[in-house]
Amino acid sequence: GENVEQHPSTLSVQEGDSAVIKCTYSDSASNYFPWYKQELGKRPQLIIDIRSNVGEKKDQRIAVTLNKTAKHFSLHITETQPEDSAVYFCAASLGEYGNKLVFGAGTILRVKS
Amino acid sequence: GAVVSQHPSRVICKSGTSVKIECRSLDFQATTMFWYRQFPKQSLMLMATSNEGSKATYEQGVEKDKFLINHASLTLSTLTVTSAHPEDSSFYICSALLPTGLSLNEQFFGPGTRLTVL
Repeated sequence: GENVEQHPSTLSVQEGDSAVIKCTYSDSASNYFPWYKQELGKRPQLIIDIRSNVGEKKDQRIAVTLNKTAKHFSLHITETQPEDSAVYFCAASLGEYGNKLVFGAGTILRVKS
Repeated sequence: GAVVSQHPSRVICKSGTSVKIECRSLDFQATTMFWYRQFPKQSLMLMATSNEGSKATYEQGVEKDKFLINHASLTLSTLTVTSAHPEDSSFYICSALLPTGLSLNEQFFGPGTRLTVL
């Protein structure tokens, strides 16, 4: 089955700096890779996603890159702000036609002002 | 669009009682919904896939007789935790899958239900 590993588990950055979170997956048939932001006690919110036919996707300060050969994908947040502080989860779809998601362990991001 | 609600948001119950949690897709029809459990400071763990009009499929290690799932309509799935025990205390989150063709794979999450079993 799919295994998703996420690093680092915690990340502290200064406001205005960039933050990078990395994930690796094991199922070469996975084709959908979303990133979620979750604040304490709240629902996960989709912030960006990428599909396997694309290598990079950007939305304002957030970008995701995908390397299918190496089976890893990364989240990049530029010009971080205190409100970016949260737990971030990566996920990968199970199999080529799978709708199920397997989540990484999460990264606690702290942006210090 | 793509709003998912969950009820109740919090529930406290005594050990041995059953608790029902509802998950509704408010502005779209969801043939597939998912139920997750999240323990403090941990990730989301998929418990089961709920399919409208058919039996749910459970992940390995999840007891189907303890976590009863019913998906009787295209907008409602329910999770019943039967004979709840303190170890069942957790944050239960549902998600709904957008219909095929709109955005393949994308799941929208409910706000979660905090279950505390005394």
